[in-house]
Amino acid sequence: KAGVTQTPRYLIKTRGQQVTLSCSPISGHRSVSWYQQTPGQGLQFLFEYFSETQRNKGNFPGRFSGRQFSNSRSEMNVSTLELGDSALYLCASSLVVRGQGLGGYTFGSGTRLTVV
Amino acid sequence: AQSVTQPDIHITVSEGASLELRCNYSYGATPYLFWYVQSPGQGLQLLLKYFSGDTLVQGIKGFEAEFKRSQSSFNLRKPSVHWSDAAEYFCAVYTGGFKTIFGAGTRLFVKA
Repeated sequence: KAGVTQTPRYLIKTRGQQVTLSCSPISGHRSVSWYQQTPGQGLQFLFEYFSETQRNKGNFPGRFSGRQFSNSRSEMNVSTLELGDSALYLCASSLVVRGQGLGGYTFGSGTRLTVV
Repeated sequence: AQSVTQPDIHITVSEGASLELRCNYSYGATPYLFWYVQSPGQGLQLLLKYFSGDTLVQGIKGFEAEFKRSQSSFNLRKPSVHWSDAAEYFCAVYTGGFKTIFGAGTRLFVKA
């Protein structure tokens, strides 16, 4: 079956702009999580969605937002981009067992965002 | 506070040698633990996971990990490393609240 698909793979944006990243989870996976990966901070949790509801959010400013659609596809948006937002943004989907995502993640290949 | 510590930023081993990557976690309840591998420019791939039961878990690509509650550790091992194992390895713990936290990663270099 198809894996987790993230689009686009690469993106270059200018400071102050906004960006939208997309993630299509594995069929049947209803939980989608987003992570930011940078060399200095490692993998930082952004947020998690299930059934179109955000169930948890990491310590990121309000410029970072997301949503999930009825088909479980998810998008994240970053407004007013800053240089420090340059990172690899990873989406991960998982099965939800008894209300918890304990199956481990399947990650997409990520979107490499560069802010100039 | 919940955390995952991977003490080694990078490790170099010779091809064919054994490997052990260390992971320590801090979590009050029964942990759900994972190891992932990331090749350059790619996302992470799940190697193995521990939820309960047998403390020695087998994963893909010949990897195994042992959960030791008394040491709060979940070390990853492989008896014989192949050049294709060169990558970055991440230990992770599911903390509840639909959130998983990751260690900083250990980069593995394999010498020919």
